[in-house]
Amino acid sequence: QAVLTQPPSVSAAPGQKVTISCSGSSSNIGNHYVSWYQQLPGTAPKLLIYENNKRPSGIPDRFSGSKSGTSATLGITGLQTGDEADYYCGTWDSSLSAGVFGGGTKLTVL
Amino acid sequence: QVQLQESGPGLVKPSETLSLTCTVSGGSIGSDYWSWVRQPPGKGLEWIGYIYYSGSTNYNPSLKSRVTISVDTSKNQFSLKLSSVTAADTAVYYCARASYIVVVKAAMLWFDPWGQGTLVTVSS
Repeated sequence: QAVLTQPPSVSAAPGQKVTISCSGSSSNIGNHYVSWYQQLPGTAPKLLIYENNKRPSGIPDRFSGSKSGTSATLGITGLQTGDEADYYCGTWDSSLSAGVFGGGTKLTVL
Repeated sequence: QVQLQESGPGLVKPSETLSLTCTVSGGSIGSDYWSWVRQPPGKGLEWIGYIYYSGSTNYNPSLKSRVTISVDTSKNQFSLKLSSVTAADTAVYYCARASYIVVVKAAMLWFDPWGQGTLVTVSS
């Protein structure tokens, strides 16, 4: 059972926009920063977003992150078939004194 | 740019100790945090712990009694040992550079880059 809650799956058509939610509590998202990862099939996770809304060099601005209260959201615009992947949110949990992840969301681009 | 590569046995017997090494290339292991994350087949990510280049560590409480992470700066490597393994420890194990910053009690933790991962199966 993951500490952070994500929807198991989301889907949208090419060119459209999708959002993926990540819900937590005051011990994690509510008081700490969120990061997001993309895991393409058979590959290692890749950092998409850090510090809630910052993109590493090389990540297109089609990817965005936001946080409000104890929830965070990853947004992807202009969907491409190459965006089909599993997406994970992560943060620090001060009650556990541990890094924690969401259970992951599988994105299907129809 | 920094690259990471995991190495170690792909098969470990139950009750024995899993040992993996992560070799860092393209940069120095000094001045950063280094972490292990695992992913059971078909499941999500689980943070195992991190080590600072100076040797200080922080482990997932659920694994703390069985985990040791160490660093060898002379070899630009860090290692994972997980004792008393069971089938539940079967997973792809990733090493990653961790960024861990605390600003006014708010922690920032992210992982970048990651190694390609190595599958460790626990079976007799």
